[in-house]
Amino acid sequence: DGGITQSPKYLFRKEGQNVTLSCEQNLNHDAMYWYRQDPGQGLRLIYYSQIVNDFQKGDIAEGYSVSREKKESFPLTVTSAQKNPTAFYLCASGAASGNTIYFGEGSWLTVV
Amino acid sequence: DQQVKQNSPSLSVQEGRISILNCDYTNSMFDYFLWYKKYPAEGPTFLISISSIKDKNEDGRFTVFLNKSAKHLSLHIVPSQPGDSAVYFCAASALTGGGADGLTFGKGTHLIIQP
Repeated sequence: DGGITQSPKYLFRKEGQNVTLSCEQNLNHDAMYWYRQDPGQGLRLIYYSQIVNDFQKGDIAEGYSVSREKKESFPLTVTSAQKNPTAFYLCASGAASGNTIYFGEGSWLTVV
Repeated sequence: DQQVKQNSPSLSVQEGRISILNCDYTNSMFDYFLWYKKYPAEGPTFLISISSIKDKNEDGRFTVFLNKSAKHLSLHIVPSQPGDSAVYFCAASALTGGGADGLTFGKGTHLIIQP
């Protein structure tokens, strides 16, 4: 099946730990994105990548890091520097930047 | 500064009636607009889009209207069904300009369809 796969669906992190959320797509899309959703805040862009080995910061990149070594994969690392990491994280991809994007099912991250 | 605004956090509509969700934007470079639907704990799903060269696009029960002079778009759902209860996000991009910044989203409107 074609689509965007995020894993894990639920993740618990202890304070001070780094965690990595996986995002894989088999849609042959060039552009990939990471968003964060908090209640009442809508979707806020963390990082995006328009091509392999290149990525740009979004509106709330502090405390996060990404890599784009393969076209299909765009993992997001939530570092200990992120002060309020508990949120719902959404990965998305699109054929080209600015065009329609399609989302994965999301990952819940909770700090315990 | 919010470039895409959905001023109604929630909207309640009776089943069978028309639901109208509104969205305003401030960036005159935006030329491609989309609506997404989101259920709790799931990723948003793409509903319908419209290019700035059009003022209306229809897909089944969903119609999007674009008023460029007012920088306003709306999503009409007719007739509203219980499964339409969800959060709806408006999004925009400057596609002609290369879309380098991707999509800009509004904060969403929670649509509640009442039986």
